[in-house]
Amino acid sequence: SQKIEQNSEALNIQEGKTATLTCNYTNYSPAYLQWYRQDPGRGPVFLLLIRENEKEKRKERLKVTFDTTLKQSLFHITASQPADSATYLCASQGSSNTGKLIFGQGTTLQVKP
Amino acid sequence: NAGVTQTPKFQVLKTGQSMTLQCAQDMNHNSMYWYRQDPGMGLRLIYYSASEGTTDKGEVPNGYNVSRLNKREFSLRLESAAPSQTSVYFCASRSGRDTQYFGPGTRLTVL
Repeated sequence: SQKIEQNSEALNIQEGKTATLTCNYTNYSPAYLQWYRQDPGRGPVFLLLIRENEKEKRKERLKVTFDTTLKQSLFHITASQPADSATYLCASQGSSNTGKLIFGQGTTLQVKP
Repeated sequence: NAGVTQTPKFQVLKTGQSMTLQCAQDMNHNSMYWYRQDPGMGLRLIYYSASEGTTDKGEVPNGYNVSRLNKREFSLRLESAAPSQTSVYFCASRSGRDTQYFGPGTRLTVL
């Protein structure tokens, strides 16, 4: 079955460093991948979408890559700040064109001052 | 522009009780979704509605029913609540650019 996997262990980094989160998918080839941010007690908030024909996408300090050979997406936050501390969810398109998303478990990022 | 709103924010039920979770969006989106989020499980799709008048099952539909009342509103009903349905429930709507907008969630505890 289609599966999205993220590192369930929390990622702790020092302020100013680059955080890199990984998302791997198996058993299918999604047309796009998305990244969401979720703060405690709140709903996920969309950050970036990258399509299969795009290698890289940037938005301010965020960068996402999509490697269809490795079946992997990397999410980078450069010059990280304590305010970037949150859980980051990777999601991919499901098998049909209904807009259904398959979510990973999320990776919690903690940026220490 | 409120985006996606959900009511209630918190609810405690006893086993066997029923309740309806309400969701509304003001972005004129066609598609709407109900998810549940449990620790270590990520978001799992319960039901979705691709357009007004249509609904379909997601990954974990058992024990739930939905109604797409109109383009704005999509409700989720628990007919006979069970402790296994203790979770955080999120409603979302989808834009034409494939991104989803989530509500603030309903935290449900079934005793």
